[in-house]
Amino acid sequence: EPEVTQTPSHQVTQMGQEVILRCVPISNHLYFYWYRQILGQKVEFLVSFYNNEISEKSEIFDDQFSVERPDGSNFTLKIRSTKLEDSAMYFCASSDREDSYNEQFFGPGTRLTVL
Amino acid sequence: RKEVEQDPGPFNVPEGATVAFNCTYSNSASQSFFWYRQDCRKEPKLLMSVYSSGNEDGRFTAQLNRASQYISLLIRDSKLSDSATYLCVVTGFQKLVFGTGTRLLVSP
Repeated sequence: EPEVTQTPSHQVTQMGQEVILRCVPISNHLYFYWYRQILGQKVEFLVSFYNNEISEKSEIFDDQFSVERPDGSNFTLKIRSTKLEDSAMYFCASSDREDSYNEQFFGPGTRLTVL
Repeated sequence: RKEVEQDPGPFNVPEGATVAFNCTYSNSASQSFFWYRQDCRKEPKLLMSVYSSGNEDGRFTAQLNRASQYISLLIRDSKLSDSATYLCVVTGFQKLVFGTGTRLLVSP
């Protein structure tokens, strides 16, 4: 069964450092998403991406964040200068349809720890 | 008012029990509704979509009341493997809006 994969599973970084979180969406999917979940809190939407453009982003997704699809398979989330409060689980998701009736498939997540 | 509200629980039930979770949402323009399941430190996984007519998948029954902006999930004959956090999810168009989740603990 096809699945979304994410690397690394755990990233530890110092405050102020740049991190890149990587995702490989399901191969025939065209819509990509990043969500985050701070420990003990709800899953929060960050950004959606289609046709090499951001289609929607939340207030959390400020200038410190960027997304890219550098090749035909990877989808990345970059945090330019990490803060302590960026520590969270980051989930990538993908779907093959634009509308929300279709399931978004989630990857296993990257746990980001900012020290 | 929170976009999606759920009782955080935990709900502690014995095996075989029937348990019900409720959820309310604030955005009347929400188009789609789901229940996701999340195991500890794992990704959310779709349990079932929720329709106004109600829908059933084995031991699980979901119901939507658009007028009251209320969603429910009923689990019959609880199994130990049902222990997890159940996330109520609504959408506008693309993004998913999650509730904080209701934790279920099923004991022998």
